[in-house]
This record gives sequence, structure tokens and C-alpha cells, in this order.
Amino acid sequence: EAGVVQSPRYKIIEKKQPVAFWCNPISGHNTLYWYLQNLGQGPELLIRYENEEAVDDSQLPKDRFSAERLKGVDSTLKIQPAELGDSAVYLCASSLGTIGHETQYFGPGTRLLVL
Amino acid sequence: LAKTTQPISMDSYEGQEVNITCSHNNIATNDYITWYQQFPSQGPRFIIQGYKTKVTNEVASLFIPADRKSSTLSLPRVSLSDTAVYYCLVVTSNQAGTALIFGKGTTLSVSS
Repeated sequence: EAGVVQSPRYKIIEKKQPVAFWCNPISGHNTLYWYLQNLGQGPELLIRYENEEAVDDSQLPKDRFSAERLKGVDSTLKIQPAELGDSAVYLCASSLGTIGHETQYFGPGTRLLVL
Repeated sequence: LAKTTQPISMDSYEGQEVNITCSHNNIATNDYITWYQQFPSQGPRFIIQGYKTKVTNEVASLFIPADRKSSTLSLPRVSLSDTAVYYCLVVTSNQAGTALIFGKGTTLSVSS
């Protein structure tokens, strides 16, 4: 069974440029998560989808970050414009159910460097 | 919301048992405790989950005391390949919704 797929794996951009990350969850998984992970820190939830609906986006900086999950399958996270402090690893995860404590399966992440 | 505290790092030798404790003083009645393992350049990987008492699977055990204010991940007979960062995750589900709070992680170094 294929795992969570993320692309690109690495991205280098200059500040003020836009950037987008793509995630394809495990087939059949209803819940999709986007996390931000800074060096030496644990993942921090940005947004959680249940099917097409964003059920928790309280930690998403909405002035520059946006996300979508059309058709309830793959998802895109966008930053526009990027700032130096956005340099981090962006992780996508998915889980089968929606009750909150199901096992999350993580992708390898996209490492973003903003210059 | 529950906050988690873990030791920053631990050292061990091959063949030893390693116990990593996570404190979660504000854990709520419905919260679950989950542990993940992360290798460099990879996403976290599920190890074990529990709600109370003891849970054991093929790779680890999880001990949760009656007050549930802490939990201990036990790795029996570690090997070099167990060198990784270990995170505890508390999942809070209530009427306000679901919150997922990862700890800062414990870096385990296993030597031969």
C-alpha cells in the first residue's frame, strides 16, 4: 500500500515569493493534516481536514497561508508571500477516521528554505 | 489543553531497556496518549497508543499510571536502529473540537 506522498521534497525560494506544497494521502483516509516542524521541535498542526472540510485551522496564519482539499483527496498548502521565518519542514499526514486519536501516517515532508 | 514535557535526550547501549517518560499534567478525561518515532528526513511513525494502564505491542510497551499525568514508553533491548527522536502526542477531543499537541521530542542515542 502506498504511503502518504508529498512533493516537492525540497524547495528553495527567495523571500516574498509564493510556494506551494502538494500532498496525496493514503487511499481511503478521510482525515488529512498539515504540520509545520521547525528544527529540533515537534510537529505543530496547521490545519486538519475531514474530507473536504477544514475542521481545525486555528493555527494557520491566514494572512499568508492557505490550503485546500478539493474532492476530499489530495491537498495543497500555499504560502504567499514567504518570509524568512517560514523555513521549516512541512509535513502532511492522514488517518482513516475522524474521531481524533486514530493513527496518523506521515509523509516524508517538504523542506522549505527561504532566502 | 494538555501540554507535554519530555527529556531532551537520552543515551543507551545496545541490548538495554530504555524508558522515556512524558509528563502531561493537564490531560483531560478523554485524552489519548500516542508515541511516534522519527528518523532524520522522514515523517514521524506511529509506535503505540494508550488511554490507561498498560499497552504492549510487538515493538514497545506504554505504561500509564492511574492519575494519567504521565506516561512511559518502554523499548526493550534497544538496537542501533532505535536511534531516533521520540515524541509523545496528546489528543484532546471535546465539544470544542480536537487538539493535537506534540511534545518537543526526546533524542535517543544508542551506542554499541
